Amino acid sequence: QVQVVESGGGLVKPGESLRLSCVASGFIFSDYYMNWIRQAPGKGPEWLSFISSGSTTTVYADSVRGRFTISRDNDKQSVYLQMNNLRVEDTAVYYCARDLTTGGLADLWGQGTVVTVSS
Amino acid sequence: DIQMTQSPSSLSAFVGDRVTITCRASQNIGIYLNWFQHKPGKAPRLLIHGATSLQSGVPSRFSGSGSGTDFTLTISSLQPDDFATYYCQQSNNPPFTFGPGAKVDIK
Repeated sequence: QVQVVESGGGLVKPGESLRLSCVASGFIFSDYYMNWIRQAPGKGPEWLSFISSGSTTTVYADSVRGRFTISRDNDKQSVYLQMNNLRVEDTAVYYCARDLTTGGLADLWGQGTVVTVSS
Repeated sequence: DIQMTQSPSSLSAFVGDRVTITCRASQNIGIYLNWFQHKPGKAPRLLIHGATSLQSGVPSRFSGSGSGTDFTLTISSLQPDDFATYYCQQSNNPPFTFGPGAKVDIK
């Protein structure tokens, strides 16, 4: 079955860290760029970052640059999002998504993992 | 950053109606415009990419048009499975911004 499945969300306090994981199956993971996208309650989705198939290129949105780091392990068919210095405004559903091209066009999304940042 | 706007923000329609949602970019994005369908608790679904290309497996009642700054998603005959929120997104330049969404519900 062609899918991506996110995990690692939870409730954390401002300033704390969290690492999200996404495991892919049913396709040749190493052929694809991968994205992280989030959606805060009541808002449209917000693209956060993508990583190239061989990890040579990473791009970030300004809102997370310097705090979040995307990485991948092709042997484990996985992509990760290390989130440091979390803020209340980072509260959202976080989605992992396969890219149809070379960044920004997500053709296969997971169901998401919920991150809540609250004191 | 490129700003995306959508109208209407919500609409009510009957099964069988023709539904049109518009999307506007704050600058020229060529045809780098994508449409997604999202239902609560489900993974978002890519419907249209490159402004007009129907994603594999998507019913032909969905179509997209436009270029530059103005785009349209049309559902030719609304079906019960189509009640959802629809988002446009530009993939011309990062950050790849989304519109605020258009919720389609049953009249």
